[in-house]
Formats: sequence, structure tokens, C-alpha cells
Amino acid sequence: DTGVSQDPRHKITKRGQNVTFRCDPISEHNRLYWYRQTLGQGPEFLTYFQNEAQLEKSRLLSDRFSAERPKGSFSTLEIQRTEQGDSAMYLCASSFPINEQYFGPGTRLTVT
Amino acid sequence: AQSVTQLGSHVSVSEGALVLLRCNYSSSVPPYLFWYVQYPNQGLQLLLKYTTGATLVKGINGFEAEFKKSETSFHLTKPSAHMSDAAEYFCAVSDLSNTGNQFYFGTGTSLTVIP
Repeated sequence: DTGVSQDPRHKITKRGQNVTFRCDPISEHNRLYWYRQTLGQGPEFLTYFQNEAQLEKSRLLSDRFSAERPKGSFSTLEIQRTEQGDSAMYLCASSFPINEQYFGPGTRLTVT
Repeated sequence: AQSVTQLGSHVSVSEGALVLLRCNYSSSVPPYLFWYVQYPNQGLQLLLKYTTGATLVKGINGFEAEFKKSETSFHLTKPSAHMSDAAEYFCAVSDLSNTGNQFYFGTGTSLTVIP
């Protein structure tokens, strides 16, 4: 399978704990995106990378959130000191420039 | 700035009936428009896209959409609904510029197909 993969698929954590999600994009795609999706809503943009450079961040991305793409391949999204409001589906997508985005299956986070 | 409005958060149709899901967009530049489908607990799958050229675009699973600039619309249709079409559908707009490729999604329309 050469699609976008995300790990883990599900994560349950207690409030205050840190969590980290991983995204592996389609290998030849140089752009990578993170979105957050809550129930009944469309995906909301969080941040995106072109190769290893993080070029844009949404104001939704508080200081507790950090994303990296160290070698321009896979990316990680870390949430520190999780809050119940962080419970959502976190989606990763990748693309070539000027082309559609291909989405991974998402990581569903539940903060108890 | 771009935005998308999907009219009707829930749509129900009978199996075999016409499916019509509405999408209106706002964009300050020529838009690129997309429809994605999402099945429960899965990511989004591209149904079809409009970038340039023919305004009627055909996608997978028998879906098609027509870009109407004068109406700022990009409605999704399928002549005959199938049970397997039951899912969440999202319309998205982007400018696909070289400096950014941010997609703006609507809030989605949940399609129910009644047997």
C-alpha cells in the first residue's frame, strides 16, 4: 500500500499527558498537512510542511502543539498537557504542489 | 480568503433516486474545487476535482459535479443512489498556489440511502 499512513489509529490518554502521532506521506509528495476534525465538522487546517520546512501554522495550533518533519519524509504531531478539548480525529494529508491532497486514515484521540 | 458552505447537513434519498449535494464557495482567486467522501472512522477519499477546463467533471462511483462560476456553486450529483453511497461528503476549495495549498472544507453533508 503506497497511500498515506498514520499511527496510531486510536489513542486514549488521560488529561495532562503528552501524546505523539506519526504520519508517513506518499513517498514522492513533498507537501504534508495536518488537520483536526471534530464530530460533525469538516477538517480544520493545523499546519503544513514543504519538505522539512514548516511554512504555515493555523491559530488553532496552540503552544501545546508542535509538529516536525525532520528529513522531509514522515512527520510527527505532539500535543503536550492534553485537554479534553483536544479530543478529535487528527488527519494527515500529502500532495504534490498544485494538486489534490491524499488523506490518511486518521488518528482518533480521546482525552479522559 | 476562501470558504465553503454546504447546504443541508443531512440528506436522505431512496435507493435508485437522484443524489444532489449542494456546495457554494467563496474565493478571491480562481478556485480549485474538490469533493471528498468519508466513511466512518476513515480518512477522506477524493471523489472528483475541478481545476481548469471543462466545467462538468466526472468522478469515481458515478458521481459528477458542475462548476458554475456565476452561481459560485459546485454541486455534487449522482443519477441513482446506491446503498454503498451512504457516507459523509465534504466540499473543499483551494487556490493551489505555489506558496500554499491550504484546503478549506465545508462542514459536510451526511447522506443516508433508504432501501
